[in-house]
Amino acid sequence: KNEVEQSPQNLTAQEGEFITINCSYSVGISALHWLQQHPGGGIVSLFMLSSGKKKHGRLIATINIQEKHSSLHITASHPRDSAVYICAAPFNSGGSNYKLTFGKGTLLTVNP
Amino acid sequence: GAVVSQHPSWVICKSGTSVKIECRSLDFQATTMFWYRQFPKQSLMLMATSNEGSKATYEQGVEKDKFLINHASLTLSTLTVTSAHPEDSSFYICSARGGGVGETQYFGPGTRLLVL
Repeated sequence: KNEVEQSPQNLTAQEGEFITINCSYSVGISALHWLQQHPGGGIVSLFMLSSGKKKHGRLIATINIQEKHSSLHITASHPRDSAVYICAAPFNSGGSNYKLTFGKGTLLTVNP
Repeated sequence: GAVVSQHPSWVICKSGTSVKIECRSLDFQATTMFWYRQFPKQSLMLMATSNEGSKATYEQGVEKDKFLINHASLTLSTLTVTSAHPEDSSFYICSARGGGVGETQYFGPGTRLLVL
């Protein structure tokens, strides 16, 4: 069964703290997405990564293909980072078609 | 980077009317577009996948006659909610993949539909 699990479900941090959100998936995939959804709903693609590590500003995403695990880190967190963070993995749905399966999301609240 | 837009961002309509939502890839050709629906505090649920020039493939439980999808060009897909009812009120999100960005899937900002 294609599954994507995230932890924690909810995370509250003080401004400036280092944040880690974890994502595990059940079967081998070619790449994994990290998405951000702010209150109000709009989704932003943060990263798509297939190996190693990617960095964008204060955001760092890592993936370990062998362990089927990825992490999203936020350094020097800020209240504006408060959002739902979602990991999503493309699973083969037949032939050459792939569908994203989404984790349930991690609600991050960063307090000033 | 690649951008996907949706229009409108908000729509309120009366029960029984039809609503059309547009999804555009602004700087790449989207060979595949996806339509998702998200209810409050729930994850995105895939409704259908459409490839340019082909009929959309609907997920189980999604009525294709109610949610009409047209993907007539490589930059535009539309979702029409026909004879909308209050239970169709939701957040509809499109996503596009293809072109020069490889397999990356980019998401639109979403359209919030409220049916009265």
